[in-house]
Amino acid sequence: QSALTQPASVSGSPGQSITISCTGTSSDVGNYNLVSWYQQHPGKAPKLMIFEVSKWPSGAFNRFSGSKSGNTASLTISGLQAEDEADYYCCSYAGSNIWVFGGGTKLTVL
Amino acid sequence: QLQLVQSGAEMKKPGASVKVSCKASGYTFIHYYMYWVRQAPGQGLEWMGMINPSGGSATYAQRFRGRISMTWDTSTRTVYMELSSLGSEDTAVYYCAREVGDDHMDVWGRGTTVTVSS
Repeated sequence: QSALTQPASVSGSPGQSITISCTGTSSDVGNYNLVSWYQQHPGKAPKLMIFEVSKWPSGAFNRFSGSKSGNTASLTISGLQAEDEADYYCCSYAGSNIWVFGGGTKLTVL
Repeated sequence: QLQLVQSGAEMKKPGASVKVSCKASGYTFIHYYMYWVRQAPGQGLEWMGMINPSGGSATYAQRFRGRISMTWDTSTRTVYMELSSLGSEDTAVYYCAREVGDDHMDVWGRGTTVTVSS
């Protein structure tokens, strides 16, 4: 099972919006609405931000939103803040109880 | 409170095995699958597998099959991940994470660093 494809890095200024893409195949992202997104700060464990493509966990992060079109899922962060600077990973179900992560995207807040 | 507490850092020689534990608290242990995810230095997250502490069934990522085993102990609310035939490429931080809603990980352990070096 190959890793999902994410851009290595994205950047934006405070207050702006950015979008991170996550491209898979018709066997994973394209076949299931089971994409989640995780934020990871250096030296810390990942933190759930979005699940089932576009749902927020409790303690919602309204500036974070998710979507999907075909084999590509996307995470949009609006109103960028300094604390959003982190690595972001998508994760998708790939069938047969198998899950696959994206390679990760480093977000820099300028 | 809801948390996963992992065992301490390990140093292993190539060819050895390592067993990492993950003790759950704050929820009904057998009601949630547990995932294991690892992260090599400077690299991304890699899903390794999952185990059902209720039925005991486990599913492993293809690349680890044959040298990985996930087990559990209901009495101590602990899940274990054992990886054998270690090589330098297995040097990583290993995380356990609780699966919720059948499709995402809502609680993560703090990670266990495993270093493989001769």
